[in-house]
Amino acid sequence: GENVEQHPSTLSVQEGDSAVIKCTYSDSASNYFPWYKQELGKGPQLIIDIRSNVGEKKDQRIAVTLNKTAKHFSLHITETQPEDSAVYFCAATRDDKIIFGKGTRLHILP
Amino acid sequence: KAGVTQTPRYLIKTRGQQVTLSCSPISGHRSVSWYQQTPGQGLQFLFEYFSETQRNKGNFPGRFSGRQFSNSRSEMNVSTLELGDSALYLCASSPLQGASEQYFGPGTRLTVT
Repeated sequence: GENVEQHPSTLSVQEGDSAVIKCTYSDSASNYFPWYKQELGKGPQLIIDIRSNVGEKKDQRIAVTLNKTAKHFSLHITETQPEDSAVYFCAATRDDKIIFGKGTRLHILP
Repeated sequence: KAGVTQTPRYLIKTRGQQVTLSCSPISGHRSVSWYQQTPGQGLQFLFEYFSETQRNKGNFPGRFSGRQFSNSRSEMNVSTLELGDSALYLCASSPLQGASEQYFGPGTRLTVT
């Protein structure tokens, strides 16, 4: 069946450095790719998304890139801050079907 | 606008019992989806309701059911609880039917003993 692979499962970066999380999807019909941030005790929060007709999207320190041919998309966080520590989930969706990656636990080191 | 609210936040039940969870979507949102989150399986889609009708369903047994009311509030019911049903149950609302632009609530932590 369709799936979404997310790597790495854990990532530690020094405060101020960049973090990159990558996802690969299998369903070529997927057309919407959201990223969620989940902090302890909270539900996932939509932080950025990209549609299949766009290759890159940026929102302040966060950017997402999409390579439809290779069926992978990535989340880039620049100038990381302590409040970026959380679990990040990617997802691939088409119409009414959404599949999530397993998540990446991001640690920002002081 | 107020966010998605879920009640209760925590619940402890015994095997064989049933449970009902409630979700109030963001005002104006007509779609409500439910997810189960566990450390082993991650986030898994249960079902989606839009305009009081179930529009989509994931691969969960019939013990998991739901409904949506005319004010878009939704409830999820799990009957004959099993230990493996212990999880965080998340509700997400969206202005549109389907899987785009979902806004999650804080979840209900269900523990089955």
